[in-house]
Parts: sequence; structure tokens; C-alpha cells
Amino acid sequence: QLLESGGGLVQPGGSLRLSCTASGLTFYYYGLSWIRQAPGKGLEWVAVVSGDSDDTYYADSVKGRVTISRDNSKNTVFLQMSSVRVEDTAVYYCAKIRRMMLLSGAAFDLWGQGTVVTVGS
Amino acid sequence: DIQMTQSPSTLSAYVGDSVTISCRASQTITTWLAWYQQKPGEAPKLLIYRASSLESGVPSRFSGSGSGTEFTLTITSLQPDDFATYYCQQSKSYPLTFGGGTKVEIK
Repeated sequence: QLLESGGGLVQPGGSLRLSCTASGLTFYYYGLSWIRQAPGKGLEWVAVVSGDSDDTYYADSVKGRVTISRDNSKNTVFLQMSSVRVEDTAVYYCAKIRRMMLLSGAAFDLWGQGTVVTVGS
Repeated sequence: DIQMTQSPSTLSAYVGDSVTISCRASQTITTWLAWYQQKPGEAPKLLIYRASSLESGVPSRFSGSGSGTEFTLTITSLQPDDFATYYCQQSKSYPLTFGGGTKVEIK
């Protein structure tokens, strides 16, 4: 399973680090993504990191403001968010890519329950 | 970026009906398409990958078809548990993109 944490209320321009800890899978083999959902809206892919951390990709809406990383020794993936905006308010899901060792053709077969990030004063 | 367009945005149906949801890509994605089901307050659940491959544990009343830019998700004999919102997602290239969603409601 995947378990997210780190969400909360943050002021515009502030920073936040989200964490997602995995259990029950061979963590190193799989790419992991963060996907968010603003209140009442659809799904928006945010970022992905490969199993060995060599490859990362970001959505244009967050590029330069967020960094995805992972610690395979702790089975944890992170999303460091900075210069947050009101429009970053969302439930943030961590999700595992179905295919081992590949970032291409990514379908997500395991999701966490989500952590809520609210940007406001 | 590849844009994904779903239709309809809302669909009303009876239990037992067969329903079809469409998803169109702004450029060819061959068969790099997935479908998800999401219920209120829950995380999405993978139903279909590679356009037509059924994820393990997903009932066979769900099926996907299409290639290139046009795709469909069909649910035959709609069950009460199937009333939810459905999303398509392209995995041809980054950034990954989702369709806007289709809410299936009880008529």
C-alpha cells in the first residue's frame, strides 16, 4: 500500500514537503508519481520519478516550483513544494506505475488515500 | 502536450444498461491509454490499461477499445457499484494528461 503524509495549510509563497511511504512491494523496481485533484475538479498529473531516481518529469504548471525525489532505503517518495499558489490547493495522491523499471506507458495500479494541501491565509 | 477530451461529461443510466464513454486524444497515442474509476472520497482505481487490457480483479463487464486518437470504455449491465466518475489518461508521452472525467449517474 501507499500512505501519504505532510499535507496541511500553507500560506501563498510558502513551502511544504509531502511524503509517501510504500509497503508490500519491491519499491526500487517502480516509478512513482504524484497526481493531484483540486476540490470538485478532475485529476492532474504532477510529477514522476524513476526507480533509480535517474529520470524525473514535471507538469508545466509546477515546473521550477516542485521537486520529486525518493529514498529507496526508506521506501519513500517525496514532493517538495515551494512558492505555493492558491491553485496548488488539492488532494495529492501518490501512485505507482504498473510496469516495472519503466516510466513509459505509465498506468497507475496502486494509489494512496491522498493528503490534502490547502494554500491560503 | 497531448490533450484528452472525454464525452459526455455526465451520463444518466439505469441499473442493467450498457453505457459507453468516449475519449479523444489531440494526437495519436497508439494504444497508450488507461481508464480509471473514482468514487467520492476515494482514490482512483485502474480499470483498463493499453486501451483494452483489463486490470486484474476488474469485472469483465468493463471493456476498452480504440487506437490512435479515438477510444471508448464500455460498461455492460451497469451495476449499482458502477455509479462513479471515469477518467481516461494517456501514457504516450510526458507530461501525462487526463481527460476531464465522465460522471455516471443513476437515472
